[in-house]
Amino acid sequence: AQSVAQPEDQVNVAEGNPLTVKCTYSVSGNPYLFWYVQYPNRGLQFLLKYITGDNLVKGSYGFEAEFNKSQTSFHLKKPSALVSDSALYFCAVRDGSGNTGKLIFGQGTTLQVKP
Amino acid sequence: NAGVTQTPKFQVLKTGQSMTLQCAQDMNHEYMSWYRQDPGMGLRLIHYSVGAGITDQGEVPNGYNVSRSTTEDFPLRLLSAAPSQTSVYFCASSYRAGGHTDTQYFGPGTRLTVL
Repeated sequence: AQSVAQPEDQVNVAEGNPLTVKCTYSVSGNPYLFWYVQYPNRGLQFLLKYITGDNLVKGSYGFEAEFNKSQTSFHLKKPSALVSDSALYFCAVRDGSGNTGKLIFGQGTTLQVKP
Repeated sequence: NAGVTQTPKFQVLKTGQSMTLQCAQDMNHEYMSWYRQDPGMGLRLIHYSVGAGITDQGEVPNGYNVSRSTTEDFPLRLLSAAPSQTSVYFCASSYRAGGHTDTQYFGPGTRLTVL
């Protein structure tokens, strides 16, 4: 069965410091991985996705994510955090062996960037 | 394009009442889905549709019905509301049914409270 784990409920970083939000996954086929961000009282916004190819994926707002097949991880990163990055972040996966395109989400990680 | 729209934004129901949450997309997407978001549990799939006339159950379908008479619309019906259905509901769509690499786009959400 597909699953996604985000081991940290909350990540705290100081503005200007690098940030990492962790995600690990489990699928039986090829993994297709996604990151979304949710600002307070808003819907989810797409940040980036890994389909194939280069293990480092660049996305919106200066975020990037590193796919590591051996560690089954897809951690979200940003070199220099902004206070405006404070939000709830979700990792999600699709199993390439399925035929319905269902997306499975992690439980979310709250990122708090302090000035 | 308006993208994915949802109505209403907020709703308060009494136990036992029924209602329909509306979802529409104007991107000609085949795949549409409904999620509920509860604190600490991420997003859980309620129902999904791979095209007009085709629907299927997700992870938490009990107490909800859906139909897909057109490509654009995917309403979610609560048959007899219960306090356990207090949640934030998100509708999402993506281009192809079974499109594993396709990005899902989310609506702004409906915040439902059942008293």
